[in-house]
Amino acid sequence: SAVISQKPSRDICQRGTSLTIQCQVDSQVTMMFWYRQQPGQSLTLIATANQGSEATYESGFVIDKFPISRPNLTFSTLTVSNMSPEDSSIYLCSVSSGPNEQFFGPGTRLTVL
Amino acid sequence: ILNVEQSPQSLHVQEGDSTNFTCSFPSSNFYALHWYRWETAKSPEALFVMTLNGDEKKKGRISATLNTKEGYSYLYIKGSQPEDSATYLCASLNAGGTSYGKLTFGQGTILTVHP
Repeated sequence: SAVISQKPSRDICQRGTSLTIQCQVDSQVTMMFWYRQQPGQSLTLIATANQGSEATYESGFVIDKFPISRPNLTFSTLTVSNMSPEDSSIYLCSVSSGPNEQFFGPGTRLTVL
Repeated sequence: ILNVEQSPQSLHVQEGDSTNFTCSFPSSNFYALHWYRWETAKSPEALFVMTLNGDEKKKGRISATLNTKEGYSYLYIKGSQPEDSATYLCASLNAGGTSYGKLTFGQGTILTVHP
């Protein structure tokens, strides 16, 4: 299994600011994803981070709000832009090299005041 | 849109009790069902990936079954221990999607095992 780290592990931010979350994997992986879990809700896929091209966003998520970078096969960032209290969530990155496996990072707990 | 439902939402049991939870998912275009165990401040830990109707998998005291025709999976824990306390998530992978990583998660079952 892949070892995934995320930074920061948690943060408290003011509304209107932006936060960039980093995801680092210990090996090259084909697919990287970003999920979020709002309080009391399911883990929901935000987007697929594509290496060398624009991310693929799920319905309800847009690039202006959640810009994603993936400069290589082991690293990705997710930015939560112009934050509001509704963005308070746990954000997780995950990686997959096939349909029968998907590994997750420890998550970033974000609170927006 | 896939809807994955888990029940119960939360569960309190005594140490030594056996317990089980349910995950229901749409059976059309089914590809795989994933079970995860998620402790606070840690990464969700993959427990099982199940693909075939009738699959049964076991990992120590934890086991799972799969019925793809009726769209449900059960997770069983035998002789619960306090360290089993966690949120248990199931997620369905739908065939024919644009991304084979696109898991649709249930809301989870929060298990608390009391000493």
